[in-house]
Amino acid sequence: GAVVSQHPSWVICKSGTSVKIECRSLDFQATTMFWYRQFPKQSLMLMATSNEGSKATYEQGVEKDKFLINHASLTLSTLTVTSAHPEDSSFYICSARISGFPDTQYFGPGTRLTVL
Amino acid sequence: AQTVTQSQPEMSVQEAETVTLSCTYDTSESDYYLFWYKQPPSRQMILVIRQEAYKQQNATENRFSVNFQKAAKSFSLKISDSQLGDAAMYFCAYTWGAGYGGSQGNLIFGKGTKLSVKP
Repeated sequence: GAVVSQHPSWVICKSGTSVKIECRSLDFQATTMFWYRQFPKQSLMLMATSNEGSKATYEQGVEKDKFLINHASLTLSTLTVTSAHPEDSSFYICSARISGFPDTQYFGPGTRLTVL
Repeated sequence: AQTVTQSQPEMSVQEAETVTLSCTYDTSESDYYLFWYKQPPSRQMILVIRQEAYKQQNATENRFSVNFQKAAKSFSLKISDSQLGDAAMYFCAYTWGAGYGGSQGNLIFGKGTKLSVKP
């Protein structure tokens, strides 16, 4: 149980285009999902908290207009990187909390984004 | 401020031996949770073990156990009978929470410890 999927696992795009990353909780409902960014050999950096049916909460320094988050259902959150640039290249990871165990986050396998 | 500190950037252990990874944290909260996550080369974050602060008993999961010292704000991970598959980055993490239906903090990570296992 507690499986979180992400799609795609790997994406290459041209500078200026937009990329959408999906995060799904497969066997549980997640009222809250999180989006992280991880640079090589570094820890995870929280970008935003996604709550089903409401606006996402962004961490300081994260551009909400560049990183659009939508949490349309209890099992799906999406992150759209708009007008991507090479500096947006990174590893993006989502996580979700199980309703009955609000303290524990389960992570998706991550998405590697490369912007040319 | 709530912080998590892992003072060992890298550790190495011989296969079948035991290794302990250190973690300290700082918080003024009374209700909180501590975790160890493993990130192998695939980069999938895997929950290794979870500890509720209100529980005095140390959590164990098969070969993995913790030494939770609440007064010292220390939360170390012991891996017994190390296996080659244990080689990974290990992240200590903390969150505060008020239990079911209560408010919940975000997950705060340490910088990680890279564990190598020698055959």
